[in-house]
Amino acid sequence: NAGVTQTPKFQVLKTGQSMTLQCAQDMNHEYMSWYRQDPGMGLRLIHYSVGAGITDQGEVPNGYNVSRSTTEDFPLRLLSAAPSQTSVYFCASSYSYRYEQYFGPGTRLTVT
Amino acid sequence: AQTVTQSQPEMSVQEAETVTLSCTYDTSESDYYLFWYKQPPSRQMILVIRQEAYKQQNATENRFSVNFQKAAKSFSLKISDSQLGDAAMYFCAYEAGNQFYFGTGTSLTVIP
Repeated sequence: NAGVTQTPKFQVLKTGQSMTLQCAQDMNHEYMSWYRQDPGMGLRLIHYSVGAGITDQGEVPNGYNVSRSTTEDFPLRLLSAAPSQTSVYFCASSYSYRYEQYFGPGTRLTVT
Repeated sequence: AQTVTQSQPEMSVQEAETVTLSCTYDTSESDYYLFWYKQPPSRQMILVIRQEAYKQQNATENRFSVNFQKAAKSFSLKISDSQLGDAAMYFCAYEAGNQFYFGTGTSLTVIP
């Protein structure tokens, strides 16, 4: 049981490049979410999904896309990276949005 | 907009002593959930305790307990018999309508 896995652990992008952060869970959780963590700002919700085929925006969705084709996977796409997207990104999953969220180890992204 | 406020950026406690971390939130919802998460230097987010707003009884998990004051919109975390392993960043979080909102965190130092 691997829990929530994220790849890559570290990434450096140039402004304007695109990339996908991968997230997978093996706990059959319906609820999955993406957060970004910036110094002094806590975690902010980017996008979330309540099941395969269903996604919605969180607090800071601009510049990011998501899709959920399977229960297990919830990738986050950066369409055209900007320095403001430099952050640590966490993926999380839970049985239901009102229960404990299990977090992945995070991806540290730097955009130059 | 929902907001979660942690007014203590840093706290310290002597080993074996008790410390209380503060959290207030702003909401117009009546049905919501509150959480405390711990983030040690490893960056891994770990659930400490969860409180359902409709329950008046304060949640307790071993050495961790909360003081939930719904009318005052306050949700403080008490750590008893502090241990060195309690040193971490602590985040208060609020959930309503599928969305989570985190506070900016309190960094707890445990002094041997």
